[in-house]
Amino acid sequence: SQQGEEDPQALSIQEGENATMNCSYKTSINNLQWYRQNSGRGLVHLILIRSNEREKHSGRLRVTLDTSKKSSSLLITASRAADTASYFCATAGIIQGAQKLVFGQGTRLTINP
Amino acid sequence: DSGVTQTPKHLITATGQRVTLRCSPRSGDLSVYWYQQSLDQGLQFLIQYYNGEERAKGNILERFSAQQFPDLHSELNLSSLELGDSALYFCASSVVSGVSNEQFFGPGTRLTVL
Repeated sequence: SQQGEEDPQALSIQEGENATMNCSYKTSINNLQWYRQNSGRGLVHLILIRSNEREKHSGRLRVTLDTSKKSSSLLITASRAADTASYFCATAGIIQGAQKLVFGQGTRLTINP
Repeated sequence: DSGVTQTPKHLITATGQRVTLRCSPRSGDLSVYWYQQSLDQGLQFLIQYYNGEERAKGNILERFSAQQFPDLHSELNLSSLELGDSALYFCASSVVSGVSNEQFFGPGTRLTVL
């Protein structure tokens, strides 16, 4: 089964508001990554947080990681219409003896103008 | 533009047929990953090659196979196609073999099996 479970499945907010997406996972990880996908396009890497880090920032993005709760959150501040996309968390770790990146089902974010 | 290229962009074929999807990684990247994205299964890891050798396998069917050539481009072969194989197929590349670094995704090949 998928490592990452994302919540909510869909989120619709007004431009300028903050958007928060959550990701939970089940086993030990090496790092956790967040990707964005515009409709029907390839995924774009946003940010990587290692298992020994608790928080990371990149521009308007803030990612937290709580390994004790096996969860992560992605916060997008001051949202813009261009942020409309699907957001995926991906957990990196050893699965069946090999290093693998396992993606969640994603959160579909809609920013209304 | 990630620097990863995939051809073709779209592919429409019939059940029972065989197709080949092609991927060229970013310059300097030795690892190539293949993923399948469908509405019901989400984004599924299929297989990884590193410098020409298979490194990790995911949920890849026996009807599917892949290889990475000496120039590092990779091909994913899908045979005896079924309706359920219709999906977006992505290739990604990274410098290293493990997952400690980000992966760069290509634009994908949309496969439609009729």
